[in-house]
Amino acid sequence: AQSVAQPEDQVNVAEGNPLTVKCTYSVSGNPYLFWYVQYPNRGLQFLLKYITGDNLVKGSYGFEAEFNKSQTSFHLKKPSALVSDSALYFCAVRAAVTGANNLFFGTGTRLTVIP
Amino acid sequence: GAVVSQHPSRVICKSGTSVKIECRSLDFQATTMFWYRQFPKQSLMLMATSNEGSKATYEQGVEKDKFLINHASLTLSTLTVTSAHPEDSSFYICSAWATGILNTEAFFGQGTRLTVV
Repeated sequence: AQSVAQPEDQVNVAEGNPLTVKCTYSVSGNPYLFWYVQYPNRGLQFLLKYITGDNLVKGSYGFEAEFNKSQTSFHLKKPSALVSDSALYFCAVRAAVTGANNLFFGTGTRLTVIP
Repeated sequence: GAVVSQHPSRVICKSGTSVKIECRSLDFQATTMFWYRQFPKQSLMLMATSNEGSKATYEQGVEKDKFLINHASLTLSTLTVTSAHPEDSSFYICSAWATGILNTEAFFGQGTRLTVV
């Protein structure tokens, strides 16, 4: 069975400080891992993904995430938070097998960047 | 990148009526599309997998006769909420996986906020 855990419902960080949004996953075989961001009443916007290769993945808006196979984690990070980064963030996983196109989402983490 | 367009973005309907939501892949073909439902402050819950030219696959607990899905072409899937009730009020989101080189990424529509009064 596939699953994603985002242990923090809410993360608050001061503007300019580094931020981390945590994600751990469970999947059979190799994972495809994703981060999406959602603004109020909007669909999901893609931030970044890990498919294979370098464990450190760089994405949109200065975000990055590190794939850690031994800890089954894929934490989202940004060196310096902006107020405009305040949104709902979802981690998602998909099994890396043909035909397994469904994404499993975490429960989401609401990030608030304080001016 | 690829674009998925969802329409309408917001709809209010009377209890007992039906509402159709469209999901289009604008610049790629999608043999499979997914419909999700999102309750306030909760994650996305997969409702069904829409397969072009065949019947949709519904998740456990989702009523097939209430949430009708049609995927008549490689660029369009529709979700019809039949005989809507206030408890059907929610945010509905569709997604599609592009084929070929883009196959490792899901693209999402803008979402539809359904309010049943």
